[in-house]
Amino acid sequence: NAGVTQTPKFRILKIGQSMTLQCAQDMNHNYMYWYRQDPGMGLKLIYYSVGAGITDKGEVPNGYNVSRSTTEDFPLRLELAAPSQTSVYFCASSPNLGGAEAFFGQGTRLTVV
Amino acid sequence: AQKITQTQPGMFVQEKEAVTLDCTYDTSDQSYGLFWYKQPSSGEMIFLIYQGSYDEQNATEGRYSLNFQKARKSANLVISASQLGDSAMYFCAMGPNQGAQKLVFGQGTRLTINP
Repeated sequence: NAGVTQTPKFRILKIGQSMTLQCAQDMNHNYMYWYRQDPGMGLKLIYYSVGAGITDKGEVPNGYNVSRSTTEDFPLRLELAAPSQTSVYFCASSPNLGGAEAFFGQGTRLTVV
Repeated sequence: AQKITQTQPGMFVQEKEAVTLDCTYDTSDQSYGLFWYKQPSSGEMIFLIYQGSYDEQNATEGRYSLNFQKARKSANLVISASQLGDSAMYFCAMGPNQGAQKLVFGQGTRLTINP
């Protein structure tokens, strides 16, 4: 069981560069999420999706874009990287059940220099 | 807006003792869910336990139990018979009782178990 798979695990970007963080899940979950975790802090929701073709903003969406063309994949795009986007990024998914837990990927550690 | 507060930045406990990690929350919603996640030093997020706002009994999962006091808006995690492997960051989170689990997390408590 792969669960939620994120790539890459680590990345260093220069200011102004762009990149896409990949996320794939094999559990056929409707809901998928992107969170960021700054040092010493809890996770904050960036974007989420309730199904293919449907996405919505979370608490901290500025500087990011997402798309959901399939149930399995939910990539996160950074267009113009800034030092404030240095963080650990977690992708997660959950089924359409009341109170169901979210399953998290291993995280992507991104540093913008 | 929902808010989670964890007031203990760090906790130190002797192995085999029980430990309580505090969590208070604020919401105007009548229906909500409360979650606890564990984050070891390796960084992954591990689900521990869930409590729905309408659940009358406190949730339990093995050595983990959730002390839910709705009137006080608290959802403390109790770990019985702590083990060295329990050393980690612990996050309390809140979300809806159904649908997309758009979670709001607290800042976390770092638990260290001493041998």
